[in-house]
Amino acid sequence: GAGVSQSPSNKVTEKGKDVELRCDPISGHTALYWYRQSLGQGLEFLIYFQGNSAPDKSGLPSDRFSAERTGGSVSTLTIQRTQQEDSAVYLCASSFDRLDYEQYFGPGTRLTVT
Amino acid sequence: GDSVTQMEGPVTLSEEACLTINCTYTATGYPSLFWYVQYPGEGLQLLLKATKADDKGSNKGFEATYRKETTSFHLEKGSVQVSDSAVYFCALEYGNKLVFGAGTILRVKS
Repeated sequence: GAGVSQSPSNKVTEKGKDVELRCDPISGHTALYWYRQSLGQGLEFLIYFQGNSAPDKSGLPSDRFSAERTGGSVSTLTIQRTQQEDSAVYLCASSFDRLDYEQYFGPGTRLTVT
Repeated sequence: GDSVTQMEGPVTLSEEACLTINCTYTATGYPSLFWYVQYPGEGLQLLLKATKADDKGSNKGFEATYRKETTSFHLEKGSVQVSDSAVYFCALEYGNKLVFGAGTILRVKS
């Protein structure tokens, strides 16, 4: 079946602009995760959604970062007033539920802030 | 908080050599442990996992055993191939997320 998809695959933006990154999880997966992969920080957890529960936002690095998940499916990660240190690959993953830690990752969105 | 430490790379091996990538963890309780692999130009893929002490995860000739006494989950393969060249990440589950090690680059030469 279809895997996790993310769009765009690449995004170049100017410092100070807002960006939106999209994730389509695997159909039927109730848990959705965002991670960031950067040279200096490795793979970092950002945010977690499980069904209709309040999201776990403990990994968001600043209040410029926000995410939503509409209808328990598609998720959008928004970065406001982007900074150069936001340049990274943003990865989305989904799993069947929170007790299934086998997370399936999308190909990522490479964000470059100039 | 919980953390994962894995050996620094890059690791460069000749084809058919034995591979060990060390991974140790710090955790409260007994988390599930994972190895993920990222092939060049591709996304992260689950390679294997173990959910309790003494479990052995295996896939594609790779193995790792969950060792509670040494808090380790070392990745091993008896004979590597050029196609195994990738970045390998050790990870543990912590609450609602995966905590990853820094990754180890493996290069296999023919």
